[in-house]
Amino acid sequence: DAGVTQSPTHLIKTRGQQVTLRCSPKSGHDTVSWYQQALGQGPQFIFQYYEEEERQRGNFPDRFSGHQFPNYSSELNVNALLLGDSALYLCASSLQGANEQFFGPGTRLTVL
Amino acid sequence: AQTVTQSQPEMSVQEAETVTLSCTYDTSENNYYLFWYKQPPSRQMILVIRQEAYKQQNATENRFSVNFQKAAKSFSLKISDSQLGDTAMYFCAFMKHSTGANSKLTFGKGITLSVRP
Repeated sequence: DAGVTQSPTHLIKTRGQQVTLRCSPKSGHDTVSWYQQALGQGPQFIFQYYEEEERQRGNFPDRFSGHQFPNYSSELNVNALLLGDSALYLCASSLQGANEQFFGPGTRLTVL
Repeated sequence: AQTVTQSQPEMSVQEAETVTLSCTYDTSENNYYLFWYKQPPSRQMILVIRQEAYKQQNATENRFSVNFQKAAKSFSLKISDSQLGDTAMYFCAFMKHSTGANSKLTFGKGITLSVRP
């Protein structure tokens, strides 16, 4: 049973560019949450998707957007990249109504 | 809004000894969950232990146990018989109970635990 997978593993972009990160949830899970983890910090909640809709959103600007597909996989898009967007982006999946979230290995984004 | 505070940035313990990691939180919610997550150097975050706020009994998972003090809003993790593989960053996290959509996790800043051979 595959766990949560994310791609790519690493990504380098320059300021002003756009990036798309991808996540496949654990088998059977229908809810995907995205977190941003700056170096040496705890993860910060970006948003959560369920039934292809954004259900909750953290304190992140509109430059951060997402999508969930019918197969429950999800994308995180970040436009107009800033140096401060450099971080590890974690995807977590869960089953609606359950309190445990399973995390993927993350995508390390570096903005130069 | 909820906040989670981990005031110790780093700790070190000798292999086979016991160590306690501290966490405090602030919330106006009465029904919630608390978690300890482990993030080894390979990065993948894994759940160590979970506590439901309505349960008075402290959760235990093999060598890991918690001391949950609801009134004091304190949630510490005790690791017994520390092993080299316990070396990792540990995060305390809060989730409010929801009957509808899944709730988000609110994390502390984490503590880096080093187990010395």
